[in-house]
Amino acid sequence: SAVISQKPSRDICQRGTSLTIQCQVDSQVTMMFWYRQQPGQSLTLIATANQGSEATYESGFVIDKFPISRPNLTFSTLTVSNMSPEDSSIYLCSGRQGRTEAFFGQGTRLTVV
Amino acid sequence: GENVEQHPSTLSVQEGDSAVIKCTYSDSASNYFPWYKQELGKRPQLIIDIRSNVGEKKDQRIAVTLNKTAKHFSLHITETQPEDSAVYFCAARNGNEKLTFGTGTRLTIIP
Repeated sequence: SAVISQKPSRDICQRGTSLTIQCQVDSQVTMMFWYRQQPGQSLTLIATANQGSEATYESGFVIDKFPISRPNLTFSTLTVSNMSPEDSSIYLCSGRQGRTEAFFGQGTRLTVV
Repeated sequence: GENVEQHPSTLSVQEGDSAVIKCTYSDSASNYFPWYKQELGKRPQLIIDIRSNVGEKKDQRIAVTLNKTAKHFSLHITETQPEDSAVYFCAARNGNEKLTFGTGTRLTIIP
């Protein structure tokens, strides 16, 4: 299956700043997703990244806080804007390629201080 | 939308014994059910999946069963080994929709 490279792997950020997380896939994927995972908890879908158009956000997540780009079929970014300590979490991107099921990037561990 | 419940939340078994994790789902249209293993500090990895046209699937020591009538599916790990210790997540999906994940089971294998 395809491989996703996600970066940064971790970061410590000041409150009020923004962080952009990047995911690069080594082949084209039909769908890309962004998740948040609190330590010891399940994965919560933030949004589906749509190629060439606005992302589709889940309830509780808004574009102003989590702008997403997907300029082509192999790359996507998630920005966590105007961060607060409550945004501290692990952020994961995933991709789906036809019937090949969701595979994940290695995650970004974000700490907001 | 889909709702997936997973039990138990924690499970400890002696090495060599079997482990079973159960999930139920709410959307009768769901037709795809993957299982992921997540080791500490690592990304979730797909370990096995099943589609709604079959009732059971095996891959070496791992098997998944599906009961569409009752809307539940289970992961079975036989002859458990220390490296099976991890958090396991079930998930369900309808067609091309998003995956909905269960809450996870922390499996500990006792040597």
